[in-house]
Amino acid sequence: GAVVSQHPSWVICKSGTSVKIECRSLDFQATTMFWYRQFPKKSLMLMATSNEGSKATYEQGVEKDKFLINHASLTLSTLTVTSAHPEDSSFYICSASDGRADEQFFGPGTRLTVL
Amino acid sequence: LAKTTQPISMDSYEGQEVNITCSHNNIATNDYITWYQQFPSQGPRFIIQGYKTKVTNEVASLFIPADRKSSTLSLPRVSLSDTAVYYCLVGDLSRKGGKLIFGQGTELSVKP
Repeated sequence: GAVVSQHPSWVICKSGTSVKIECRSLDFQATTMFWYRQFPKKSLMLMATSNEGSKATYEQGVEKDKFLINHASLTLSTLTVTSAHPEDSSFYICSASDGRADEQFFGPGTRLTVL
Repeated sequence: LAKTTQPISMDSYEGQEVNITCSHNNIATNDYITWYQQFPSQGPRFIIQGYKTKVTNEVASLFIPADRKSSTLSLPRVSLSDTAVYYCLVGDLSRKGGKLIFGQGTELSVKP
């Protein structure tokens, strides 16, 4: 089956720094990638949708200047958390779709801890 | 976007069949129904997907009535390792702007 990877799997950073998380589709071309965040014991919350070569579409309430998303190629999307604060600590999960109605593949997630 | 409603939690014992029902009253014509399993600190894992009637694979069955306003995930003979959160998602990723929104999910606890 299709594989989506994320890097890093976990990261710890100091408050005020920026952190970049990569999401890669390893064996298919991802026309669309999605970024979710998940707090402990909660469901996944969609943050934004990114299409290759175009600006990301952010969900209501998600700060686009804080969570920068770049989808530069059909196999790579990045999420940069700028000026991270402790409240940004969360589990970030990406998923990728090749544009067919029935295909969405999830990455293993990245645990971000901001001190 | 179709909203989904599932029971928050369910308990079962090893070897039993577990049925989790999801309600999606405003499902659109082109929407698929997909179920995912998630373990703590892992990304969701695909279980099964369907459009109508019944779908079966090596791990589960999915029952969808004719009106498609609900669906039931059936896990035969669960084991302790099936303890996880199960999510029902409804959507069409093939259309422009298509996306999948997670509901609250069902936390399944399998006991020995």
